[in-house]
Amino acid sequence: GAVVSQHPSWVICKSGTSVKIECRSLDFQATTMFWYRQFPKQSLMLMATSNEGSKATYEQGVEKDKFLINHASLTLSTLTVTSAHPEDSSFYICSARASTGYNEQFFGPGTRLTVL
Amino acid sequence: DAKTTQPPSMDCAEGRAANLPCNHSTISGNEYVYWYRQIHSQGPQYIIHGLKNNETNEMASLIITEDRKSSTLILPHATLRDTAVYYCIVRVAQTGNQFYFGTGTSLTVIP
Repeated sequence: GAVVSQHPSWVICKSGTSVKIECRSLDFQATTMFWYRQFPKQSLMLMATSNEGSKATYEQGVEKDKFLINHASLTLSTLTVTSAHPEDSSFYICSARASTGYNEQFFGPGTRLTVL
Repeated sequence: DAKTTQPPSMDCAEGRAANLPCNHSTISGNEYVYWYRQIHSQGPQYIIHGLKNNETNEMASLIITEDRKSSTLILPHATLRDTAVYYCIVRVAQTGNQFYFGTGTSLTVIP
């Protein structure tokens, strides 16, 4: 149990385009989902906290207008990278916390974004 | 900000126990210690967590010192598939509380 999926697993796009990444909790409901970014040889950096039915909370330094987060249901959150630039190329990872009181978070497999 | 300190890298012989230390000297009374690992280009995988008592599951054991200022993750019989970056995280176990990852320990299991 407690499986989180991400789609796509990798994407290549042109500079200036927008890319949407989906994060789904497959076998549990998640009132809270988190989005992370990881550059090569670095640790995960929390970008934002997404609560179902409300606006996301962004970490300091993360542009909310560039990284649009939608958490419309208890099993789906999306991250849209708008007007992507090469410096946005990174590994994007989501995690989900179950609504039933589990303490741990379950992470998705990640999405590799490459902006040309 | 991450509240933990871990050695950047460690080696362990295959079949031997891997002991990964973590310092969290500023931990609060209601903060848990969590361990995750990340195999290259994958999402982090939950290993174990604890508050103050030692914990054991099918993957590992977690030893927390009495003053809770440090802990050790023990992989009893390391295999090559245990090669990964191991992250020690402290946080309050409440809905919505975020994980802030430190730099972790890169464990290499050597044949």
